[in-house]
Amino acid sequence: SSELTQDPAVSVALGQTVRITCQGDSLRSYYASWYQQKPGQAPVLVIYGKNNRPSGIPDRFSGSSSGNTASLTITGAQAEDEADYYCNSRDSSGNNWVFGGGTKLTVL
Amino acid sequence: QVQLQESGPGLVKPSGTLSLTCAVSGGSISSSNWWSWVRQPPGKGLEWIGEIYHSGSTNYNPSLKSRVTISVDKSKNQFSLKLSSVTAADTAVYYCARVMWELAEDWFDPWGQGTLVTVSS
Repeated sequence: SSELTQDPAVSVALGQTVRITCQGDSLRSYYASWYQQKPGQAPVLVIYGKNNRPSGIPDRFSGSSSGNTASLTITGAQAEDEADYYCNSRDSSGNNWVFGGGTKLTVL
Repeated sequence: QVQLQESGPGLVKPSGTLSLTCAVSGGSISSSNWWSWVRQPPGKGLEWIGEIYHSGSTNYNPSLKSRVTISVDKSKNQFSLKLSSVTAADTAVYYCARVMWELAEDWFDPWGQGTLVTVSS
């Protein structure tokens, strides 16, 4: 399969922990990377590889993976974390890329 | 640090060809990276279009492969996208991005700011 599946929407109370998941067969072979996208802006990388954060990304963002599921966890969600989050990985062939459909995170 | 900037017409007629360029600054397009195009229709998710290496090797999304050509111009440090036979369904914000890699894993970083292309007569 060349698809990645995400929940369309997730909500979290301010300061609480939220997990956003991404499922797909390709995740058995490749780690997912995660992107944050705010309205009118380009996506920004927040997690890559096993669990790596680019410079400037707060340490409340973390990633994990098990079997065909990758997860992005935000520990102590802040108002500024409200955004769309996309996962992606190489597909099973290794030559193409696939994106999840995106998860809209609401911080209450 | 590397920055990417998309440019090209914002309006394309149906059945025409969409042409965009991504200028790379702060680094060389001949570095050991793939360079990619991604699009996002209004209100929808991200869709990978294709990628190119400085050698000219390409990979394309199978669903778009028959209409897509990605090329590289090392002398101008840029790469380009052509999408033929466009319809309204090709209306989207088009992003270019660098594919970073390390230890057999890769990811997109950075991204250009994106450019909206509307297909309409």
